Amino acid sequence: GEDVEQSLFLSVREGDSSVINCTYTDSSSTYLYWYKQEPGAGLQLLTYIFSNMDMKQDQRLTVLLNKKDKHLSLRIADTQTGDSAIYFCAPRGGGKLIFGQGTELSVKP
Amino acid sequence: DVKVTQSSRYLVKRTGEKVFLECVQDMDHENMFWYRQDPGLGLRLIYFSYDVKMKEKGDIPEGYSVSREKKERFSLILESASTNQTSMYLCASSLDRGMNTEAFFGQGTRLTVV
Repeated sequence: GEDVEQSLFLSVREGDSSVINCTYTDSSSTYLYWYKQEPGAGLQLLTYIFSNMDMKQDQRLTVLLNKKDKHLSLRIADTQTGDSAIYFCAPRGGGKLIFGQGTELSVKP
Repeated sequence: DVKVTQSSRYLVKRTGEKVFLECVQDMDHENMFWYRQDPGLGLRLIYFSYDVKMKEKGDIPEGYSVSREKKERFSLILESASTNQTSMYLCASSLDRGMNTEAFFGQGTRLTVV
């Protein structure tokens, strides 16, 4: 079946950039999503990219897609303590979302 | 705002009990999903439903069943709870099968089976 891989932890200092990486296997994914989960909460959609795009920028967020290598990344500029959360990559395969393991981002002051 | 409501935030049940987890959405969404979330494993899809009385198995359906008698409600059933079903359960809904439809999540139910 489909597989999505993310590293489990990332630690950065406040003000630095964070880059969270994701690799996936389903080449039919048309939309690829990033979700954020704050402590004790459900998931919320952060941003997404359509598969015919290489890059999408949304304020402090930049999504890069390398479709050939099936690699997706999320860059957060000027990372703040409020960005501390778990970030999930989720390519959409058919009608369902397939989630990675989630990357726990820790932002140190 | 779309709201997905799970009936309980925390549940403690005994091994062998039948457990019902309820999820209700208020935006007339066609699709509903049940995931379980475990550390290091991310979210794994248990069951999903595209329409009333319709269900499809996800990646880990064993030990679970679901019911969707009304469009707004999707129930997850543990027929005989076991300790390896201790987990965080997340319900989600999305508008339809269109390729770009955002999924909205409930707050989660943390189930402990003792």
